[in-house]
Amino acid sequence: QVQLQESGPGLVKASETLSLTCNVSGYFISSGYYWGWIRQPPGKGLEYLGSIYNNGNTYYNPSLMSRVTTSVDTSKNQFSLNLSSVTAADTAIYYCVRHLRGSGGGAFESWGQGTLVTVSS
Amino acid sequence: ETLMTQSPATLSLSPGERVTLSCRASESISSSLAWYQQKPGQAPRLLIYGASTRATGIPARFSGSGSGTEFTLTISSLQSEDFAVYYCQHYNKWPPITFGQGTRLEIK
Repeated sequence: QVQLQESGPGLVKASETLSLTCNVSGYFISSGYYWGWIRQPPGKGLEYLGSIYNNGNTYYNPSLMSRVTTSVDTSKNQFSLNLSSVTAADTAIYYCVRHLRGSGGGAFESWGQGTLVTVSS
Repeated sequence: ETLMTQSPATLSLSPGERVTLSCRASESISSSLAWYQQKPGQAPRLLIYGASTRATGIPARFSGSGSGTEFTLTISSLQSEDFAVYYCQHYNKWPPITFGQGTRLEIK
């Protein structure tokens, strides 16, 4: 069974870049699936950030496209998120996820436990 | 951008009751809809995808229906562990992918 675990700083200064890594166990990223990022401000709803395939193909939320990048490192079996020029509005719990395969591929079947990132001024 | 609207925002029900949650898309999304359950302090859990297909391990009391712009999630008989927040999500021609604002199901 696949397991995902987010890691990275819990505190980022405004205007800097938020960087998170998702370590995957129980499945080799190189074997397939899309891998993505979703965030949730405290007490609020869910927002899709972006996704990446093992060949480097990426999809991003158009509203964040200018600030979001994702990458994959198959040798470490992990993928990463960078969000630049952060503000207080980027304070949220960040989840890494694995997409479903096939026709339901836009849904998210596996989730990490989430990591809270706070943007400070 | 396709907007997803869930109703109601909060429902207060008792264990054993049947409940139907609604999700409306601002334009047709075919059957590209998923439902998630989120309990406090936990990540969301996929319940339904393709509007009506239960994800692995999801009990049969959960069912989804709809297509186009109108969708529902039904729980046939509420169990104590079902009280949570439920989100719908569209993925038609993703990206983009958008979520509804959620429906909170609370114990009456």
